[in-house]
Amino acid sequence: EPEVTQTPSHQVTQMGQEVILRCVPISNHLYFYWYRQILGQKVEFLVSFYNNEISEKSEIFDDQFSVERPDGSNFTLKIRSTKLEDSAMYFCASSELTATNEKLFFGSGTQLSVL
Amino acid sequence: DAKTTQPNSMESNEEEPVHLPCNHSTISGTDYIHWYRQLPSQGPEYVIHGLTSNVNNRMASLAIAEDRKSSTLILHRATLRDAAVYYCILRRGTSGSRLTFGEGTQLTVNP
Repeated sequence: EPEVTQTPSHQVTQMGQEVILRCVPISNHLYFYWYRQILGQKVEFLVSFYNNEISEKSEIFDDQFSVERPDGSNFTLKIRSTKLEDSAMYFCASSELTATNEKLFFGSGTQLSVL
Repeated sequence: DAKTTQPNSMESNEEEPVHLPCNHSTISGTDYIHWYRQLPSQGPEYVIHGLTSNVNNRMASLAIAEDRKSSTLILHRATLRDAAVYYCILRRGTSGSRLTFGEGTQLTVNP
């Protein structure tokens, strides 16, 4: 079965540094998402992206966050100036465009540790 | 987003059926009922979804009450690999809409 691929699997950074988390969605999918999960907490929606623009974002997704689809295959999440509370597992997901409320395919995640 | 209510935890024995309940009394007419699960140290994984009718796939069955205010995920023969957190999520009918995860049900499968 096709997979969503995320790199790196672990990222350690210093507070205030910029980080870019990378994802390769499934090739024929048109919707892309980022979610995060702080240790021991719920999975939280960050942003969804369709047709080269943000279609929906949560209150977590503030000006420190941005997303981009720089080419035909990658989807990235950038955090401009990381804070300690950004430490979490970040999941990328993608889905097709269908008429019946399509399912999401999630990657294995990038564990971000901000020191 | 409409809210769902699930038990915090459930236990089952291997090779027995498991019925995971979910209440969603404030569901709207265009909300789909989705189930995802999360195995330890992994990303969420789609299980099944439906709108009004019961649904079956290779992983599970979804039984939806006639008034749609509750649903039940059925694993026909639990395996040790099915031990995970199971999330019942209402998702708006528009394409690309977000999934709002709750706390889910932690399923333990005993050998």
